[in-house]
Amino acid sequence: NAGVTQTPKFQVLKTGQSMTLQCAQDMNHNSMYWYRQDPGMGLRLIYYSASEGTTDKGEVPNGYNVSRLNKREFSLRLESAAPSQTSVYFCASSGLARAVFGIQYFGAGTRLSVL
Amino acid sequence: GESVGLHLPTLSVQEGDNSIINCAYSNSASDYFIWYKQESGKGPQFIIDIRSNMDKRQGQRVTVLLNKTVKHLSLQIAATQPGDSAVYFCAEKGGVAAGNKLTFGGGTRVLVKP
Repeated sequence: NAGVTQTPKFQVLKTGQSMTLQCAQDMNHNSMYWYRQDPGMGLRLIYYSASEGTTDKGEVPNGYNVSRLNKREFSLRLESAAPSQTSVYFCASSGLARAVFGIQYFGAGTRLSVL
Repeated sequence: GESVGLHLPTLSVQEGDNSIINCAYSNSASDYFIWYKQESGKGPQFIIDIRSNMDKRQGQRVTVLLNKTVKHLSLQIAATQPGDSAVYFCAEKGGVAAGNKLTFGGGTRVLVKP
């Protein structure tokens, strides 16, 4: 059972380039989330999807877009990368056993550097 | 503003001793709390949770205590092992008024000395 899978694991971009971070979960969870983690700081919510077909902004949505492709997949897109977006990005999911924002299960992360 | 914070950014513990990690929160409406463990290069891993109608909850070698009077949360790890070396985060769920969002603290690094 893979849980939450993120691709790629590492990425280096130049300022202004675009890319999409992929996330898939195999736990049949309804809710999915994207966070960023910067040194010395906790996880900050970028966007979330409470259920298939819905997405909402989190604490730090500027510069990002998301797509809930289906129940399994939730992607994060950087349209024009900036050095301030250098971070580690985590995708998470949570299921019906808890309400949205209950126990979340995390992927291994994508380490992104923007030069 | 509302925040979740940790008192000790780094905690060094002798193998076999008990560890206590503390967390302060300021949102009195928070109704749910979670502790996560994050090992180097990995994503956060769920350890234990507690609802605001409880004061204590125990798991395998871990205990979470909640003191709503002083808005304080702690994680106790019994007989700390080398595999417990990691960063530990607390997270609070702010309730309906806060959109039920989870807010994470900055983390405490636990170093286990052999």
